[in-house]
Amino acid sequence: NAGVMQNPRHLVRRRGQEARLRCSPMKGHSHVYWYRQLPEEGLKFMVYLQKENIIDESGMPKERFSAEFPKEGPSILRIQQVVRGDSAAYFCASSPGLAGGYEQYFGPGTRLTVT
Amino acid sequence: GNSVTQMEGPVTLSEEAFLTINCTYTATGYPSLFWYVQYPGEGLQLLLKATKADDKGSNKGFEATYRKETTSFHLEKGSVQVSDSAVYFCALTDSGGGADGLTFGKGTHLIIQP
Repeated sequence: NAGVMQNPRHLVRRRGQEARLRCSPMKGHSHVYWYRQLPEEGLKFMVYLQKENIIDESGMPKERFSAEFPKEGPSILRIQQVVRGDSAAYFCASSPGLAGGYEQYFGPGTRLTVT
Repeated sequence: GNSVTQMEGPVTLSEEAFLTINCTYTATGYPSLFWYVQYPGEGLQLLLKATKADDKGSNKGFEATYRKETTSFHLEKGSVQVSDSAVYFCALTDSGGGADGLTFGKGTHLIIQP
């Protein structure tokens, strides 16, 4: 059973461009979480999604950031008009939910660098 | 709100030394507690967890006991190895089933010297 997949692993964007980060959860997992890790910091929760629904986006910046988890395909974290402060590692985690439990399994992360 | 405080690093030890990494928390509900480990360039791996008071989580020689009275979940290992060098994160989730996002501490960088 493949683990949580994230791509790309490294992404470089110029200020003002858009960044799209993809996360494929583990097989059978219907819950996805996104976290951001700034240098020398712990992970900060951003958003929690189930298929086609945003459950909790309390950690998402109000502007420029959006997330989706469509019925088919990976979850996408989208950052519009990136700024240097968006440079960070973005981690996705997935869990089975309900009877499968909510233990979160993390992907390897996408390291975004804004130049 | 919820928060996790863990000891600042880096922590440098010699191989076979005893390890303690302190972690304390504040939570509005009855949290589940976790330790995650992050090796260089990799994502986080769950090391151990505890879901109720006095539970002891253990894995790979590491242990941590959920202490409700002191709101602590300190990580211990009796004899560390060079391969234990990594960043360790204490975390909590404040829902009984753990469906919410995790709240993490800032991480403790552990360096084990041969």
